Amino acid sequence: QVQLQESGPGLVKPSETLSLTCTVSGASISNYYWSWVRQPPGKGLEWIGYIFNSGGSNYNPSLKSRVTLSLDTSKNQFSLELRSVTTADTAIYFCAGDRNNRAWSYYWGQGTLVTVSS
Amino acid sequence: EIVLTQSPGTLSLSPGERATLSCRASQSVTNNYLAWYQQKPGQAPRLLIYGASRRAGGTPDRFSGSGSGTDFTLTISRLEPEDFAVYYCQQYETFGQGTKLEIK
Repeated sequence: QVQLQESGPGLVKPSETLSLTCTVSGASISNYYWSWVRQPPGKGLEWIGYIFNSGGSNYNPSLKSRVTLSLDTSKNQFSLELRSVTTADTAIYFCAGDRNNRAWSYYWGQGTLVTVSS
Repeated sequence: EIVLTQSPGTLSLSPGERATLSCRASQSVTNNYLAWYQQKPGQAPRLLIYGASRRAGGTPDRFSGSGSGTDFTLTISRLEPEDFAVYYCQQYETFGQGTKLEIK
């Protein structure tokens, strides 16, 4: 059974970098498409980006200049880095994945709330 | 960039009724790669339908997806109490704004 768990700080100061890690169990991250999605409190879903072990990746154009996704196959983890955050980046951040396609995700983490505040 | 517009914004129905949710794309969806998710409060989204009409593992058969090109539909044939939630469509990097299905 594939399980995903997000981890990282729940509070980040404006202008700093938000860093989250998703730990995958029950599957090798080498063979899946991995994504990050966020959801501001009370609002809808926003796709952040995806990464695949072959080196393929793509980012939301509105976030592209501030986002980096990476994989750590030795730890079976993948990570999100979002730079120069503002209060508009306050959201629940979900990691997600699918074995066959990057157009959707079958597996999801429970989500972690990150608040941007001084 | 494709824009997905879901309608209605809120749908009020009773258990046992049929629900029809719409997702319209601003341009044709490649290979009908359109997915539907269900999200309940405090939970992650759950993949229900992928490829416009294929049920994901664990999706009850009362859920069905249809459509092609720019117009897609999620149908719930007979609503169960646990079906009342928010539903999102997704095409690659774009999500619709969601339809809230509430108990009438």
